[in-house]
Amino acid sequence: QVQLQQSGPGLVKPSETLSLTCAISGDSVSSTGAAWNWIRQSPSRGLEWLGRTYYRSKWYNDYAVTVKSRMTINPDTSKNQFSLQLNSVSPEDTAVYYCARDDSGGSLESWGQGTLVTVSS
Amino acid sequence: DIQMTQSPSSLSASVGDRVTITCRASQYISRFLTWYQQKPGKAPHLLIYTSSSLQSGIPSRFSGSGSGTDFTLTISSLQPEDFATYFCQQSYSLPWTFGQGTKVEIK
Repeated sequence: QVQLQQSGPGLVKPSETLSLTCAISGDSVSSTGAAWNWIRQSPSRGLEWLGRTYYRSKWYNDYAVTVKSRMTINPDTSKNQFSLQLNSVSPEDTAVYYCARDDSGGSLESWGQGTLVTVSS
Repeated sequence: DIQMTQSPSSLSASVGDRVTITCRASQYISRFLTWYQQKPGKAPHLLIYTSSSLQSGIPSRFSGSGSGTDFTLTISSLQPEDFATYFCQQSYSLPWTFGQGTKVEIK
């Protein structure tokens, strides 16, 4: 049973960087049978897939075009976790952020508990 | 990006009713379609993957069908714990995209 535990601040100032971490138990971030995703949800945009990281002999990342220039997902094998950094945030980035695992088929079968991130001064 | 359109956006139903939710993709996605259930304040929960495969632990009253662009989620006999919002998601091509959701409310 894979469990994902999110951590990070719930309030970020405009133009600053949003940073969240997702700690994994029951699997490895280096698993060659999984991908590790970030998704956000807001009333205005609904559920929005942001990006993923995965290991297949080397590390790969994919990002949504809408955030690609501002976003980085990093795996941390020493702590078995992965992180999200979103730069230059604006109020439009206010949302509940989720981490999630997929089995490489794109179905998100394990989710973190969600973190409400508000962008406000 | 592939657009996913669900209908209806909301519905009212009674316990024991048969409920059907549809999801249409803006282009061909084969059977790469997943259904989720979400309750207030919680993360989405996977119900069905690859259009019709029931996730482990999900009651058999949930079923899915479809391929290509048109898909259906059916709840054969609605139970009190099924009142929630349901989302579809395509995993045919990146970026993964979701439907806007269907809220199932108590009649």
